[in-house]
Amino acid sequence: QKEVEQNSGPLSVPEGAIASLNCTYSDRGSQSFFWYRQYSGKSPELIMFIYSNGDKEDGRFTAQLNKASQYVSLLIRDSQPSDSATYLCAVRTPSGAGSYQLTFGKGTKLSVIP
Amino acid sequence: EPEVTQTPSHQVTQMGQEVILRCVPISNHLYFYWYRQILGQKVEFLVSFYNNEISEKSEIFDDQFSVERPDGSNFTLKIRSTKLEDSAMYFCASQFQETQYFGPGTRLLVL
Repeated sequence: QKEVEQNSGPLSVPEGAIASLNCTYSDRGSQSFFWYRQYSGKSPELIMFIYSNGDKEDGRFTAQLNKASQYVSLLIRDSQPSDSATYLCAVRTPSGAGSYQLTFGKGTKLSVIP
Repeated sequence: EPEVTQTPSHQVTQMGQEVILRCVPISNHLYFYWYRQILGQKVEFLVSFYNNEISEKSEIFDDQFSVERPDGSNFTLKIRSTKLEDSAMYFCASQFQETQYFGPGTRLLVL
């Protein structure tokens, strides 16, 4: 059973602070790791993905991956109230012929306080 | 910017009725997916579709479910005889290279 675990939160940070979101996964064969943002009642929206150990930066967002520890995180710098949402960690599991399943965590609810 | 579209946005049906959820993937994408999210729960994979056939399906995707690409643009999910527990948000996604792009979803309520 492939599992993706996230702290459900809520995580509250003041505006301008760094928000740190964490995720662990059970399947060592997992290949790529995705962070999606989901506003209430809306669909998941891709923030970024990472597949190599280390850090990957995209604007205010940094994803960090440690495959030995089966751990992936997302840092949001200079948090804004508009960042308030649920952040979903998703792990790619290969399927057939180039397609793949995403296994999602339950998400961490982030609240950025003005 | 092209996006995945889904219709209807909301669907209310009676238990035992058939529903068809429709999706128009992004035009140059080749892989298509359905996921569902029960209220307050995680997003769950249902099925992947490539080259006009199912690539993989989850345990949720039983004989009550079917998918079809009836023409060059639409991708549909049919639930043959809905149950109360089918009430959820259903998301279609299409894939380009590493990334799956999600549609806005159809909220299905089974009464």
